[in-house]
Amino acid sequence: NAGVTQTPKFQVLKTGQSMTLQCAQDMNHEYMSWYRQDPGMGLRLIHYSVGAGITDQGEVPNGYNVSRSTTEDFPLRLLSAAPSQTSVYFCASSYSGQGEFSGPNYGYTFGSGTRLTVV
Amino acid sequence: AQTVTQSQPEMSVQEAETVTLSCTYDTSESDYYLFWYKQPPSRQMILVIRQEAYKQQNATENRFSVNFQKAAKSFSLKISDSQLGDAAMYFCAYRSFGVGGSNYKLTFGKGTLLTVNP
Repeated sequence: NAGVTQTPKFQVLKTGQSMTLQCAQDMNHEYMSWYRQDPGMGLRLIHYSVGAGITDQGEVPNGYNVSRSTTEDFPLRLLSAAPSQTSVYFCASSYSGQGEFSGPNYGYTFGSGTRLTVV
Repeated sequence: AQTVTQSQPEMSVQEAETVTLSCTYDTSESDYYLFWYKQPPSRQMILVIRQEAYKQQNATENRFSVNFQKAAKSFSLKISDSQLGDAAMYFCAYRSFGVGGSNYKLTFGKGTLLTVNP
């Protein structure tokens, strides 16, 4: 089924460990993004990308790296995990451009989330 | 920068009754999109309804409707005939109308946890 595939669903890390959260979409979406969700904080944007080779920072980028080598994939890297990075992470993608949002493919497709615990 | 405020951290409703969730936002833009997302315990983000700011008519999707007041920058969600399956966290979100870069990002409110009592 078409959509956003996010792996893993759960992960426990020790402080200082590194890991990569994977995100892949098969809808040919130009725009991809990573959010973190914390209780009482809603979803906050970490990084986003508007196409292969183009990334930019969101609201809470510190401690995270991203790259976009293909249209399909947008991995999120934690280089040295900290307890403050304990959160639920979501990848989301969408078409870009005003025209797309007027058609049947409007909206954002979210992955199923990754619950990350850093101890 | 745009901000989205949901002033009700928690709400409850009796099954079959109607409930309204509040959302206000701050923006200097004249055109934009507004969304309501539902997040059940499964954690999946589900689009409930969306509104284009340039449309006067309030959006409706079955039992879900919005009251969009552009001048007041208010975007409330009304759920009619509430069902047990409506119990979830609800997020209001904003997206710019423009193309390019950060215009595509969604800005979320902090959410309202809706409980439906049988």
